[in-house]
Amino acid sequence: KAGVTQTPRYLIKTRGQQVTLSCSPISGHRSVSWYQQTPGQGLQFLFEYFSETQRNKGNFPGRFSGRQFSNSRSEMNVSTLELGDSALYLCASSLASGTSGQQYFGPGTRLTVT
Amino acid sequence: GENVEQHPSTLSVQEGDSAVIKCTYSDSASNYFPWYKQELGKRPQLIIDIRSNVGEKKDQRIAVTLNKTAKHFSLHITETQPEDSAVYFCAASPMFSGGYNKLIFGAGTRLAVHP
Repeated sequence: KAGVTQTPRYLIKTRGQQVTLSCSPISGHRSVSWYQQTPGQGLQFLFEYFSETQRNKGNFPGRFSGRQFSNSRSEMNVSTLELGDSALYLCASSLASGTSGQQYFGPGTRLTVT
Repeated sequence: GENVEQHPSTLSVQEGDSAVIKCTYSDSASNYFPWYKQELGKRPQLIIDIRSNVGEKKDQRIAVTLNKTAKHFSLHITETQPEDSAVYFCAASPMFSGGYNKLIFGAGTRLAVHP
């Protein structure tokens, strides 16, 4: 099976702009989680989607949002970008539905905000 | 709040030695504990995981132990090789926030294996 894919792999944006990142899970996986990775804060959970519904949300401001489509592909959006949003954004897909299960990460999108 | 502490932050060993990384979690209802390996510039890779109803799990040179009473779990790598050099992350899945596929990660351990 093909692994988790993310597009684009690299992005450079200016403060105040918005950005949309995309994640395609492993075929058959209906759960997609998003994480932010920075040198200072490490890996932090953003949100999780399952069957087009957000089931969990981390402690991020409302500028961070996401959605999931009927084919399980997911997007996350960051509006009004700030310098501190520069990070590697990782998505992970899982076959598990009713409880936590193995999550497989995509290669990430490296976002740089200038 | 939900928290996972990981120690040490850096670990340097000679090839062939064993390496142990320890993590402590705060949510006593956490029920799933994976370990990830991340090489420079690459995605985190799941290397082993354990559930709360199991005390120990092994996969070749890698083993994980869980002590629910003390709320800590450890990664053991035996006969280390240079290709084991990477950053290792522990994680726990908290239940109080609904559980499911939410992971709280430790800060990571940078392991260097010297030939």
